Amino acid sequence: SQKIEQNSEALNIQEGKTATLTCNYTNYSPAYLQWYRQDPGRGPVFLLLIRENEKEKRKERLKVTFDTTLKQSLFHITASQPADSATYLCALDPPGSQGNLIFGKGTKLSVKP
Amino acid sequence: DTGVSQNPRHKITKRGQNVTFRCDPISEHNRLYWYRQTLGQGPEFLTYFQNEAQLEKSRLLSDRFSAERPKGSFSTLEIQRTEQGDSAMYLCASSLYSNQPQHFGDGTRLSIL
Repeated sequence: SQKIEQNSEALNIQEGKTATLTCNYTNYSPAYLQWYRQDPGRGPVFLLLIRENEKEKRKERLKVTFDTTLKQSLFHITASQPADSATYLCALDPPGSQGNLIFGKGTKLSVKP
Repeated sequence: DTGVSQNPRHKITKRGQNVTFRCDPISEHNRLYWYRQTLGQGPEFLTYFQNEAQLEKSRLLSDRFSAERPKGSFSTLEIQRTEQGDSAMYLCASSLYSNQPQHFGDGTRLSIL
C-alpha cells in the first residue's frame, strides 16, 4: 500500500535560518503532491501543490521541490520566523484517487527567536 | 469566500450514543471530503462527495458511519453506537475539482466518555 514518511516528528531551528522538511513516499508515483500547515486545534491550511512534471514551485518564502526519481519532496521556509512554528503535512493522491489524499504524520517545526 | 464551516466544534458524548456533525463547504465547490485525525497522525480519508453523490468510502468507514450531502450543499456525518475508538478530530474539506487544493474546516473534536 502507499506509504508517506516525513523525515522527523520535530524540527527546531533559529529564527532567520532556512527550515527544510522532507517527505518520502513509496510504491508508486503520485500525479501531484501537496503541503499543508496545521496549527493546534485547527484544520490544515493549503500551502503549495506541485505536479509530477514540475521540479520546483515557489510562493513568497516557501519553496517545494519534487524528485520523482528519489520519490521525495523537500519543503523549504527561508528566513524563518517564530510565526512559522506549526506542524507541516505532506499529502499525495493515492492510486486510483479521484481527489482524496493520503497524508504523512507531519513535522512539528519550532522557530526560536 | 467564507471558508469551510463545521459544527459543533466539540462534542462530548457517552459510549453507545449517536452523534451527527455538519459541514458547510465553500459554496461553489463541487467536491466535499471527510477525514478523521487522531493525535500525532495526519488526517485519514473517510469518504467524499461529488455534488450529492457519495463516490468513495474508505474501509475505515464502518457500517456505524453514514454520510449524506443532500442537494449537493452541506454534508452531515453520523456515527451510531459510538465507541471509545471513535474519539478523534473529524475534518471536512472541499475543493472545486479533483487535483485541486482542498480547503479544510477547523473540525469537530469528538470525545467519548
